[in-house]
Formats: sequence, C-alpha cells, structure tokens
Amino acid sequence: EVQLVESGGGLVKPGGSLRLSCAASGFIFNDAWMNWVRQAPGKGLEWVGRIKRTSDGGTTDYAAPVKGRFTISRDDLKNTLYLQMNSLKTEDTALYYCTTGFTIFDYWGQGILVTVSS
Amino acid sequence: QSVLTQPPSVSAAPGQKVTISCSGSSSNIGNNYVSWYQQLPGTAPKLLIYDNNKRPSGIPDRFSGSKSGTSATLGITGLQTGDEADYYCGTWDNSLSAHVVFGGGTKLTVL
Repeated sequence: EVQLVESGGGLVKPGGSLRLSCAASGFIFNDAWMNWVRQAPGKGLEWVGRIKRTSDGGTTDYAAPVKGRFTISRDDLKNTLYLQMNSLKTEDTALYYCTTGFTIFDYWGQGILVTVSS
Repeated sequence: QSVLTQPPSVSAAPGQKVTISCSGSSSNIGNNYVSWYQQLPGTAPKLLIYDNNKRPSGIPDRFSGSKSGTSATLGITGLQTGDEADYYCGTWDNSLSAHVVFGGGTKLTVL
C-alpha cells in the first residue's frame, strides 16, 4: 500500500524558514517523480514544485510564487522528499501535500499545515 | 485567480447525472491531457480521471471524463450522497511561467 506521510509543519513568523519532510513507502521511491501541492485555507489546489527521479537527473521545477525561496530535494536512501521553505510570507500559509507523478498525481499524503503569521 | 475555470458549485438530486466543466486555453487543455481529482471533506485529493478519460483502478464507471478543444468535462451519473465533494481539474501548461495548473474547484452538492 502506498503511503506518503508529511511532517515538519507548524507556525513560523514572516521571513522565517521551515523544512517539510515526506516519508514514502509502498512503492519504488527512487523511480518516482515527486511533487508538492498546497492548499490555502478554504481555497483550491496550487502546484508548488516537482523533482524528477534521480535517473532522470533529479532536477527541479517550481511555480513562480515560490521560485527562489523554496527548494525541493530527495533522499532515495531514506525514501524521503523534502521541501525547504525560506523567506516565508503570510500567503504561504497552507496545507502542504506531497504527491507522486509528473502531471498526473496518483497518490497524495494527508497534508501538513504551515502557518505563517506574526 | 486560477488558470483553469470551473463553476464554483453544481448540485443535483441522488440518482441524477451532473457535469462539471473546466475551461482553459491552447497552452494548457488545448494541447495536454486533463486529470480530475475528488476531495471529500477534510481529506486529501484523490485521482479520479487521468489522460482526459481514463479511470484509475477502483474508480467506478459512474465517473467519466471528456475533452474537446480547450475545455474538459467531468461527468458523474447515479449520484450518491457520498459524491459530495470538491472536484478539481488539472493539466500541464506550456507557457513560460506555469507548469501544472489546476482549476479553482467545483463544490458538488447532492440534494
């Protein structure tokens, strides 16, 4: 059974940093493209960024609102996906989901809440 | 404002059929496959339809998808109260500043 479990969320002040983790199991993690998708309270889904599988170069792409502030990485030995978030803004407040896939998001974690507030 | 346009809400009675539209442009829906996601209250989204009209294993055939030009449609027949959820369309966008884009979501109410 595929499982994606996010952790590391919480309350942070504007300008602060936070690192989210997503522990994966039930599938061959190093064979998967992985994404972060977020959902602001009461709002719709917003794609944050993606990391290719290592065999495809492990390169990353980001949505414009987070480019230059967020960094996605992966540790294939630990089957874990990361999202390093710097220079956080109040508008980054959201539930953050890790998902598998390229443009089709097959599996989703349960989400982790990040609140950016003074 | 979302790149893809969906109606904010739709409603229908149990047993009836409903359709949810998703409108885009040539840089997204017009030249790429569309996926649909169902988000039940308080839960994570779940893949419902991919590649315009394919259903993942376990998704009942009451759910269907189609695409024409720069628009896509999700159809649900034999509505059940358990289908009450938010539905999102998503696709790739070929424009410089965007990658994966979603619709704003449609709230389905089963009366």
